[in-house]
Amino acid sequence: QVQLVQSGTEVKKPGASVKVSCKASGYTFTSYAIHWVRQAPGQRLEWMGWINAGKGNTKYSQKFQARVTITRDTSASTAFMELSSLISEDTAVYYCARGGPVAGSDWGQGTLVTVSS
Amino acid sequence: QSALTQPPSASGSPGQSVTISCTGTRSDVGGYNYVSWFQQHPGKAPKLMIYEVTKRPSGVPDRFSGSKSGNTASLTVSGLRAEDEADYYCSSYVGSNNHVVFGGGTKLTVL
Repeated sequence: QVQLVQSGTEVKKPGASVKVSCKASGYTFTSYAIHWVRQAPGQRLEWMGWINAGKGNTKYSQKFQARVTITRDTSASTAFMELSSLISEDTAVYYCARGGPVAGSDWGQGTLVTVSS
Repeated sequence: QSALTQPPSASGSPGQSVTISCTGTRSDVGGYNYVSWFQQHPGKAPKLMIYEVTKRPSGVPDRFSGSKSGNTASLTVSGLRAEDEADYYCSSYVGSNNHVVFGGGTKLTVL
């Protein structure tokens, strides 16, 4: 069965960067996109960007364009989302999701990133 | 890219039907059949309930249905059950820049 397993909880100081991983299994990694979506406490889902896991091309939300980098390692069937220049408002649960043009039915378990001095 | 517009709340009694709307523009909801609906219970990851406007993934009850008219998509939950109480989010592809946008979310309460 399809599984997306994300890396664990992170605590970062303002100004630092965080890199979250998403290891895929149960399907051909390069045949789908991986989307990254975040959810701040009590807030809505917010799309950050996606990567075509086969070709490696990316698209980023304008809100995060300057601070986010999404990459993948096809040999490890793993996607990564790095967010830099963290501020307290970046405290959120970060999800990866398998999909095509939009996120589909398979999501990671979520990674809590807390930004605090 | 602004969020798609959803009502903040909706409610219904067990057995009743409720419809949640999701309004966008011609650049997203109105222009493409890539509208999805997700259900999210507290502390859980979102669960896909409807994709490509009207399609149900395997395992999703047929009490859940989707539709679209113009720039507005809708999710209808029929025969409401207690376990349907959750937050619901719509999502759409945005063709102008190959992006994705989510709605603001609707909290569904089963009275």
